[in-house]
Amino acid sequence: DAGVIQSPRHEVTEMGQEVTLRCKPISGHNSLFWYRQTMMRGLELLIYFNNNVPIDDSGMPEDRFSAKMPNASFSTLKIQPSEPRDSAVYFCASFSGRGQADTQYFGPGTRLTVL
Amino acid sequence: KQEVTQIPAALSVPEGENLVLNCSFTDSAIYNLQWFRQDPGKGLTSLLLIQSSQREQTSGRLNASLDKSSGRSTLYIAASQPGDSATYLCAVTQGAQKLVFGQGTRLTINP
Repeated sequence: DAGVIQSPRHEVTEMGQEVTLRCKPISGHNSLFWYRQTMMRGLELLIYFNNNVPIDDSGMPEDRFSAKMPNASFSTLKIQPSEPRDSAVYFCASFSGRGQADTQYFGPGTRLTVL
Repeated sequence: KQEVTQIPAALSVPEGENLVLNCSFTDSAIYNLQWFRQDPGKGLTSLLLIQSSQREQTSGRLNASLDKSSGRSTLYIAASQPGDSATYLCAVTQGAQKLVFGQGTRLTINP
């Protein structure tokens, strides 16, 4: 298995532009998570999906952020319009949900820089 | 609201030493606790997972303990090696799926 795949790995954009981050979870996993990592706030959960349905989006910072999961093998996180304070590493993780001993598997992350 | 704290924030030790990383959490109603490793520019890799009913887990030179009543966990690394240099993150799971992370301990093992 290729693991969780994220694209792009690096994104540099200017303030005000739309940014779309992409994630392909591990096949067969039924939960998908989006996290953001910054030096100041560490790793924070933004939103997660079960069976393609958003379950908890309480971590989404504001209306400029939106996430979708149109099918079991693809999810997007969109920021529109982007701001310099959105600069961070964004991680996607997937989870099979088989039991208490299971873990989330993280992708390599997308490093976003908003100028 | 669950808060996870890790101390120290950074640690530098010579190769071969045994070391302990600490993690504390404020709400004992956790599903499990995990220790992750993060290398620069990479994602997170799960090292050890302790279920809420367990007290410890071991994998090779790593041993993690959990004391739910006191809200503490430790990660013990034996005979440290330069390849162990990384950031170590502690995370508790609440509601079966939501991970709450500490800020991490940046570990450097000097040859």
